[in-house]
Amino acid sequence: GAVVSQHPSWVICKSGTSVKIECRSLDFQATTMFWYRQFPKQSLMLMATSNEGSKATYEQGVEKDKFLINHASLTLSTLTVTSAHPEDSSFYICSVGIPLNTEAFFGQGTRLTVV
Amino acid sequence: QKEVEQNSGPLSVPEGAIASLNCTYSDRGSQSFFWYRQYSGKSPELIMSIYSNGDKEDGRFTAQLNKASQYVSLLIRDSQPSDSATYLCAVRREGRRALTFGSGTRLQVQP
Repeated sequence: GAVVSQHPSWVICKSGTSVKIECRSLDFQATTMFWYRQFPKQSLMLMATSNEGSKATYEQGVEKDKFLINHASLTLSTLTVTSAHPEDSSFYICSVGIPLNTEAFFGQGTRLTVV
Repeated sequence: QKEVEQNSGPLSVPEGAIASLNCTYSDRGSQSFFWYRQYSGKSPELIMSIYSNGDKEDGRFTAQLNKASQYVSLLIRDSQPSDSATYLCAVRREGRRALTFGSGTRLQVQP
C-alpha cells in the first residue's frame, strides 16, 4: 500500500495565526489526496479533495478561503488553516487517492490546538 | 438518515470471545467497503476491505457483505485486549474516490 507521511503530528497555535500541515506520498505519485477532519468522539468528515495542478474541491460547508489547499506536486499536498480559531481545533488527516477498488491509506494525522 | 450507520457502543466482550461489529449504508451505488481500526489519538489503519457479496477472511478477522440488505459486518475471533479500539466502517460510493465513514463502534475487550 501507499506510505503517507503527515507533518507535524501536533501543533499548538494562537488564535488568529495560520498553520500549515503537509501531507506527503512517499512511494506513490498521487494526483489526488484527501483531507479529513475529526472532532473528538466523532467520525472522519471529508473536507476537500486536493488535485495536483488544479484547484481543490471543497465539501459543502467548508470555507475554501479559510482552509487553503495546495497540491503543487505528485507527492505533496498542504493544508493551511488561516486565521485559526479555537473551534478549528481538531484532528486533521490526509489520505492518498489511489485507483478505484483499492484501499485508501492515511497519514499519521495532525492534532491542531488553537488557544 | 446517515449515509453510513454504526452502533457507537461500547461493545464489551471477554478476551477470547468473538466480537461482531455491524454497519449499514444508504447508497445502493456503493461499491467498496472497508473496516478501519482507530486507537485513541491515532490515524485509522486498514483492517479489511471487501468488494463483493459474501465473506472474506484474513486471520482473526472476517468481513461480511450483503449488498441486497446494504449491510456489512466485521467479526473478530479470539478477541484480545489489544483489539480494544474504535472500529470505523467506510464506504466508497460510485463515482467518488473519497470515503464516507460511519461514526465508529468502540470495542472493549476485557482481560
